[in-house]
This record gives sequence, structure tokens and C-alpha cells, in this order.
Amino acid sequence: KQEVTQIPAALSVPEGENLVLNCSFTDSAIYNLQWFRQDPGKGLTSLLLIQSSQREQTSGRLNASLDKSSGRSTLYIAASQPGDSATYLCAVQTGANNLFFGTGTRLTVIP
Amino acid sequence: EAGVTQFPSHSVIEKGQTVTLRCDPISGHDNLYWYRRVMGKEIKFLLHFVKESKQDESGMPNNRFLAERTGGTYSTLKVQPAELEDSGVYFCASSQTLYSQYFGPGTRLTVL
Repeated sequence: KQEVTQIPAALSVPEGENLVLNCSFTDSAIYNLQWFRQDPGKGLTSLLLIQSSQREQTSGRLNASLDKSSGRSTLYIAASQPGDSATYLCAVQTGANNLFFGTGTRLTVIP
Repeated sequence: EAGVTQFPSHSVIEKGQTVTLRCDPISGHDNLYWYRRVMGKEIKFLLHFVKESKQDESGMPNNRFLAERTGGTYSTLKVQPAELEDSGVYFCASSQTLYSQYFGPGTRLTVL
């Protein structure tokens, strides 16, 4: 059974710092891995999707990497801003088409 | 283009009552998913519709939960009777392909 773990559970950084969020999964037989952002009371916003054949994806200040063989992914956020404060969720998609989520990392960027 | 919408945004009911949650997917999306997050736990898959057919309902916790998708458009998730452990946030997602699911804002269900 696929299990997804995210470390740390919470992170607080001063504005401008670069930071890394970690995600690990137990079963490497995945189709893709996604990073989502969730703001309080809002839905999930997809940030980056990495196909199983890819190593990384970039969007603006965000870079996500995938090491499928070791079951790990990282989300790198450059030059953090207060608007980046949110909960970041990692999810893997398996052959069953549904997503397996981690419990998330709550990020606070202090002005 | 409108996103995935869910109604209500928040529901508070007594144990033993019935609640129906609604999800309107993005127009044209044949795939519709229900997920839920209970307190302190990760978001978990409940079921997957392709048009009006249930493709996978392996995540449905028990027979108190009934999901329907009328005419392959909107979907409802009924909980009857509701129990305390059903409290949480219920998310709906839709997709055109089997990838890139778009999520709604969720319905927060509180069972007292």
C-alpha cells in the first residue's frame, strides 16, 4: 500500500530565504507526482506535476525534483515571500488513477 | 471557465442525521473523484466516476456513504446516518484525462 510522508510538518522562515520541502513515498511504481498548495478554506491548487519519466519540473520560483527509485521528491522555493505561506501537499498517482497524499507541510514566511 | 464547485461549504449536523454534499465538475470533464480529509490525517481517496459509472469505489469507508452522478454531470455524496468520525473536509476533483485533477474548495462537515 502506498504511503506518502512529508517532512517537516511545519516550517517558518524569514522572507527572502530559499527553502526545501521533502516528500517520500513507499512504492516507486507511480505514474506521476504532484505538488499542491492549499490556502485556508480554499481548494487544492496544482503547482507542479512530474511524470514518472521526468527528473524535475520548474515553474517560476518553484522547482520540484523526483527520484523515483529512491521514492523521494523535493520542492524548492526560491526567494520566499509572505504570499507563499500555505500548506504544501505532495501526492503520487498510481495505476489505480487515484492520488495518495501526504499530510502536508505548513509553511509560514515571516515578513 | 468555472472551476470545480462544491456545496455547501460547511455543514454542521447531529449524529444520526443525513447530509448530502454536492459537486459540480468542470464542464466536459468525464472523470470525477471524491476525497476526504479527517482531522490530522492525510487526504484519502473515496471513489472515482467516469461519466455516470463508478470506476473505483475502493475508498468508500462503509455503506453509510452513497455517491451518485446524475447523467454524468454533477455528483452527490450522501452520508446516512452520519457518525462523529465522518467529520472532516470532503473534496471533489475532476479531470478530462486520467491525470491533472482539478480540485474544488471542499465541504467541511462537522458531526456533533
